[in-house]
Parts: sequence; C-alpha cells; structure tokens
Amino acid sequence: AQTVTQSQPEMSVQEAETVTLSCTYDTSESDYYLFWYKQPPSRQMILVIRQEAYKQQNATENRFSVNFQKAAKSFSLKISDSQLGDAAMYFCAYRSGKGSGNTPLVFGKGTRLSVIA
Amino acid sequence: DSGVTQTPKHLITATGQRVTLRCSPRSGDLSVYWYQQSLDQGLQFLIQYYNGEERAKGNILERFSAQQFPDLHSELNLSSLELGDSALYFCASSVGLQGWEAFFGQGTRLTVV
Repeated sequence: AQTVTQSQPEMSVQEAETVTLSCTYDTSESDYYLFWYKQPPSRQMILVIRQEAYKQQNATENRFSVNFQKAAKSFSLKISDSQLGDAAMYFCAYRSGKGSGNTPLVFGKGTRLSVIA
Repeated sequence: DSGVTQTPKHLITATGQRVTLRCSPRSGDLSVYWYQQSLDQGLQFLIQYYNGEERAKGNILERFSAQQFPDLHSELNLSSLELGDSALYFCASSVGLQGWEAFFGQGTRLTVV
C-alpha cells in the first residue's frame, strides 16, 4: 500500500518570506499523481497544486511551486512571498494512476503552517 | 465554492444513535469518495462509489455503510455511534475515468456525546 509522510508537523514563516514543506511517499507504481491541499481554519479542503508523475517539469501555480524528485520519491511545496492567508494545514496526497487515476487519495498527516506578520 | 455540497454542516447526537450524512457531487462527477478526519488519525479514506457502484473500500467500520443513488448523490450511514466516531466527514467528487482532481465539500462535523 502507498504511504505519504510529512515529517514536519508544524512550520512557521515570516510574511513575505519563502517556506518549503516536505513530503515523501512510498510506492512501487510508476504512474501516479501528487497533490498539495490546503485546509484553512474554515476546514475547506482546497487544492493548491498537482503534479503528474510522468511529467519531469515541476508544477507551478503563482506563488506555489513544487520540487518533484521521482527517484527520491520526494514532493516538496515551496511557498514564495508568504501571506497571512497562507496560514493553514497543508496536506500532501498521492493518487494511483491505476483505473485512469480514478482512485482514492492517500494523505499525509499534514503540516500546520503559521505566518508571522 | 467547490461545487460539492454536504449536509448537514454540523450534527450532534448521542452514543448508540444512527445518523445519515448526505453529499451531492459536482455536476457531471461520477465518483464520490468519503473521508474521515479526526485529530489523531488524520484524513482516512472510507469508501468510494463510481456511477452507483462501490469501487474501493478503505478503513470503513462495519457500523458504517454508504450508497450512491441514480442521481449520483451519496449518503454515508453511521450507526451504533461511539464517542470515537466524532470527526469531520468529508465527501469529495471527481469526474471519473479521465478526472484525476478531487473536489471536496465543506464537511460534516459530527459530535457524539
């Protein structure tokens, strides 16, 4: 079974600075998808960024980017120019590519990010 | 707004009772997933339905069951409730065989007293 590990239960960053959240995963599959979800105090799960394993290029969404290292099974999230609204719990998630990707997400335990003004 | 609707938002009930949580997926989404989020267990996958049929099962207790109806909405039934069942229950949906992004509802906060 696939597992996702987030080794940093809590992180903090100064406003306008950059922070990197770590995620590693374990799988024997070659076809899969990786995601970062954000859960603010409202509890809503919001997709931040996604990466297909077959793509070598790292995904970028505005201030959010990933460092995808397939051989190392590492998928870190970098948040640039951190804003107060970035304070949230961040979850790394894995989805198998079997069944054309229509499979459940496997989540890490999460990293709570605090942004200091 | 993700387009996934969950009702109710909050539910308080007593031990031993039975409750039903409802989820309406995004228009056109065929897959519905149920997740349980508790403080000590994180986000745990419970069960998935695709176009009315059970597709995958995770860590779902025998006291829990779910179904997906012809109009694609889904219900999660929790029975013989225990204090430990108190959690946030999420529903998520995705398009289907071509879709690989899951959209989450706002969750149902269940408190068992």
